[in-house]
Amino acid sequence: DQQVKQNSPSLSVQEGRISILNCDYTNSMFDYFLWYKKYPAEGPTFLISISSIKDKNEDGRFTVFLNKSAKHLSLHIVPSQPGDSAVYFCAACISNNNAGNMLTFGGGTRLMVKP
Amino acid sequence: KAGVTQTPRYLIKTRGQQVTLSCSPISGHRSVSWYQQTPGQGLQFLFEYFSETQRNKGNFPGRFSGRQFSNSRSEMNVSTLELGDSALYLCASSPWGARLSTEAFFGQGTRLTVV
Repeated sequence: DQQVKQNSPSLSVQEGRISILNCDYTNSMFDYFLWYKKYPAEGPTFLISISSIKDKNEDGRFTVFLNKSAKHLSLHIVPSQPGDSAVYFCAACISNNNAGNMLTFGGGTRLMVKP
Repeated sequence: KAGVTQTPRYLIKTRGQQVTLSCSPISGHRSVSWYQQTPGQGLQFLFEYFSETQRNKGNFPGRFSGRQFSNSRSEMNVSTLELGDSALYLCASSPWGARLSTEAFFGQGTRLTVV
């Protein structure tokens, strides 16, 4: 049972345009969400996060939107650059869990930004 | 500040053998988590250690085990290796305390191939 899903395995956009990566979750206990970027043969790199008390968080070219009622979040990259080409993972966790912390990841979306 | 260091980077083992992977977290980080990445299953949580105690465990068989030392360095062990254990094993450290979750910082991973 996948609690975090990224339904688009790949996405191709033109340089300078907007990239929108989507993520859905089923566990209503999740209250903290993160996006990671991963290049081949490297570990994931943290990009941006959002707490469930917010519906938007912005950091430079990256903005994450959270729709709690729809259990949906999205990552917007504007403008997209060729260096953004990588696999993007959405992750979720229960932040106030005294039993420990674990990230539940989606399957990833491969973003290709064409020059 | 040095990042998360995982050793070795690559390993080839024979089915039935056992393997030990090592992770040195970022200085000052006390939480260390392990993840397995495979093409079919994506990134899956193995376990998390905090102050030498396993706080959380994913849905993996008992062949997968780990430990954390007093200096926060962690090792994971896989016994009786199976072909399906071939994967990228990622370690993540974070400054998480007992209750607060923030982003986790990943190492480059250990690529294990079981033949």
